[in-house]
Amino acid sequence: DAKTTQPPSMDCAEGRAANLPCNHSTISGNEYVYWYRQIHSQGPQYIIHGLKNNETNEMASLIITEDRKSSTLILPHATLRDTAVYYCIVISRDNYGQNFVFGPGTRLSVLP
Amino acid sequence: NAGVMQNPRHLVRRRGQEARLRCSPMKGHSHVYWYRQLPEEGLKFMVYLQKENIIDESGMPKERFSAEFPKEGPSILRIQQVVRGDSAAYFCASSPPRQLRSGELFFGEGSRLTVL
Repeated sequence: DAKTTQPPSMDCAEGRAANLPCNHSTISGNEYVYWYRQIHSQGPQYIIHGLKNNETNEMASLIITEDRKSSTLILPHATLRDTAVYYCIVISRDNYGQNFVFGPGTRLSVLP
Repeated sequence: NAGVMQNPRHLVRRRGQEARLRCSPMKGHSHVYWYRQLPEEGLKFMVYLQKENIIDESGMPKERFSAEFPKEGPSILRIQQVVRGDSAAYFCASSPPRQLRSGELFFGEGSRLTVL
């Protein structure tokens, strides 16, 4: 079972920042937070991951709270092409022998 | 560097036939995962394989489904005697050897099985 909780859906205006929350209150010290997204009918796409420090790449930023019990994925300037289901996954640093468990995710709709 | 390749992209079978789905992982990747996505539902883990070994098959139905990842060639997900409920998108993902990992999975574009 997924170890994370996400809102089922969110809307965001095009050009604005999209902030997608994820609750992972039972996360343990050796577990990372990963974010993926799935655009309709396509294979899931890796976005970003982090352990405890905030992370940024060309796609997004990941803000992890100090107690690591929650995180927020930020798409700084959402476009229509960012409309997708976003998945927050917690998995151990090693992850060898483990599978990535995808919960229902958050369906983000970017509106013109 | 080619990504994860899945074929066929679309497959139509009649009830009772066999379906074989193939997945070629990214170059240098030695771990393969299979996921199933029913229409309007989320991704469900099926099986995790390393070359010639099944690491975790806890998500595989007990009957009719099997998976392999031989030393040479692609990983194959085989569904025998298909039923309409097997109609779904089947996604394959790969990851590099343990010592090279940063943790992310790389997914293919999926194979869509339709059972008539």
